[in-house]
Amino acid sequence: DAGVIQSPRHEVTEMGQEVTLRCKPISGHNSLFWYRQTMMRGLELLIYFNNNVPIDDSGMPEDRFSAKMPNASFSTLKIQPSEPRDSAVYFCASSLWEASNQPQHFGDGTRLSIL
Amino acid sequence: QQQVKQSPQSLIVQKGGISIINCAYENTAFDYFPWYQQFPGKGPALLIAIRPDVSEKKEGRFTISFNKSAKQFSLHIMDSQPGDSATYFCAARGGTGANNLFFGTGTRLTVIP
Repeated sequence: DAGVIQSPRHEVTEMGQEVTLRCKPISGHNSLFWYRQTMMRGLELLIYFNNNVPIDDSGMPEDRFSAKMPNASFSTLKIQPSEPRDSAVYFCASSLWEASNQPQHFGDGTRLSIL
Repeated sequence: QQQVKQSPQSLIVQKGGISIINCAYENTAFDYFPWYQQFPGKGPALLIAIRPDVSEKKEGRFTISFNKSAKQFSLHIMDSQPGDSATYFCAARGGTGANNLFFGTGTRLTVIP
């Protein structure tokens, strides 16, 4: 089975540009998570969805960040306008949402560099 | 604030030795404690996990020890191998009905041949 697929793997863009990161969760998973990883702050949860509905977006740093999940097999994280401090590795993860201990499966991330 | 505190930040162990990574938490509502392993250029991958009603869980060379009263848990890697060199994250799940994870800051493990 294919794992979580993220695109692009690398993105380099100039400050002020719009950036869109994409994620395809594992088929059948109904929870999706967006994380940001930096050396300074480690792995931070930005937002997560259950059954395509955003549940907790308290980790989204500011209004420049937005995330959508239009259907069960696709999600986007958008940054507009981008700033150099947004440079990080962004991970998407998916899992089965239920009471038992279902692990989160991570994609290989998008390395974002804002110049 | 950091919901899960992890130490040490980095660890160097000789091949064959024992690697120990410690984590602590405050929120007693946490109900699931996984450990993730991350190699460079890859996403974190689940290594082993434990629930708070169990004091120890072992899978191969990897063991989680859990102390509910102290609100601490640790990962022990026995007979450490160079292939174990990676960054390890502890995490805790938000409690009944929640499925978001709070991650520790990570430990970079280097196993010297």
